[in-house]
Amino acid sequence: DSGVTQTPKHLITATGQRVTLRCSPRSGDLSVYWYQQSLDQGLQFLIQYYNGEERAKGNILERFSAQQFPDLHSELNLSSLELGDSALYFCASSARDGYEQYFGPGTRLTVT
Amino acid sequence: AQSVTQLDSQVPVFEEAPVELRCNYSSSVSVYLFWYVQYPNQGLQLLLKYLSGSTLVKGINGFEAEFNKSQTSFHLRKPSVHISDTAEYFCAVNVNTGNQFYFGTGTSLTVIP
Repeated sequence: DSGVTQTPKHLITATGQRVTLRCSPRSGDLSVYWYQQSLDQGLQFLIQYYNGEERAKGNILERFSAQQFPDLHSELNLSSLELGDSALYFCASSARDGYEQYFGPGTRLTVT
Repeated sequence: AQSVTQLDSQVPVFEEAPVELRCNYSSSVSVYLFWYVQYPNQGLQLLLKYLSGSTLVKGINGFEAEFNKSQTSFHLRKPSVHISDTAEYFCAVNVNTGNQFYFGTGTSLTVIP
């Protein structure tokens, strides 16, 4: 158990819909990272927050957004969902920039 | 731009045989290096890390890796694999002046009984 929690575990929704994925980092970790893992794209970095502020952006689509709240939990919002958005979405946290990341169990999103 | 290359997408190996999973990175500055393991239907778990100091790093489950600065490599090794080592292995790099991790495409290790 990494100490990072993600909800929900599974999510099935239809194209065009909007969903919110939630992540709680390990106690004391200020950085939260979001990743998308799919069979054809591998593990793709989406976005990082540090203590509430956006820190780095990766291959995140404009239809996706994220935020980190004062209690340090983070949410990833995916809108206008397409079939190709079906993937595993991982959250990770670290104590500081550059330190090892601890991954949550992931949310499996299926868009039908 | 940084990049991480895992040359072998799939590595089959017999039980109790040694294994090496290769990782090369591109960076002209100092880096932190990591290996993660992902078991089926689970998240990524840290196997080992190199931040500084000794170039030979020991991790969990009997794995070790060696940082070679001149060859910009960080290969993962285990002298004798078990069935339970069957998993996906990811190499990752963090440029220690930055805040973004770069992951390789992963190597699927299959241990054959």
